[in-house]
Amino acid sequence: QKEVEQNSGPLSVPEGAIASLNCTYSDRGSQSFFWYRQYSGKSPELIMFIYSNGDKEDGRFTAQLNKASQYVSLLIRDSQPSDSATYLCAVNPSGTYKYIFGTGTRLKVLA
Amino acid sequence: DAGVIQSPRHEVTEMGQEVTLRCKPISGHNSLFWYRQTMMRGLELLIYFNNNVPIDDSGMPEDRFSAKMPNASFSTLKIQPSEPRDSAVYFCASSTLQGDQPQHFGDGTRLSIL
Repeated sequence: QKEVEQNSGPLSVPEGAIASLNCTYSDRGSQSFFWYRQYSGKSPELIMFIYSNGDKEDGRFTAQLNKASQYVSLLIRDSQPSDSATYLCAVNPSGTYKYIFGTGTRLKVLA
Repeated sequence: DAGVIQSPRHEVTEMGQEVTLRCKPISGHNSLFWYRQTMMRGLELLIYFNNNVPIDDSGMPEDRFSAKMPNASFSTLKIQPSEPRDSAVYFCASSTLQGDQPQHFGDGTRLSIL
């Protein structure tokens, strides 16, 4: 079992819809969770981070964390073609400074 | 503020040559991370440093790879000798010395070994 799992996609949504991206992780003691966006040929860019159970909102983005079920999700409201990218989930396992990255979900927002 | 700075942006070299990738972390950041990204394996952590000291190098694929951080503002990743399977994008990232703080990535070095 991979430590951080994401559906590779592509996930296609129409412009203006809500895109829902999911990630599960295996280390139950993980404390910190991050979402990065990566455009083709570019470096990962931090979108959101979340530490506590529940929802965290930032503009059109909402991160959701459920530690009991070991999943973290990212919702993108009012999706735009410019949101088309690969979204990487990263988890900080307990007792370390490193991240474990998922392989990413490719999102396509259709105009 | 300047972000993480990597050089070169692109490197094309022949198999067997030595390759040196360079990274300057964000000022004030004392954790530095080297990653490799390929289509097949995604983003893999190679090694990370805290306060210039290597903490975990378990991701370094083999002895041909080495990394140093002689001071707080500079790190190198060296491959000697290079092989075609080392072709990838290599990213450097930095963060503050708190495990829950986000890592910030450089623009990467696209390495091609012929």
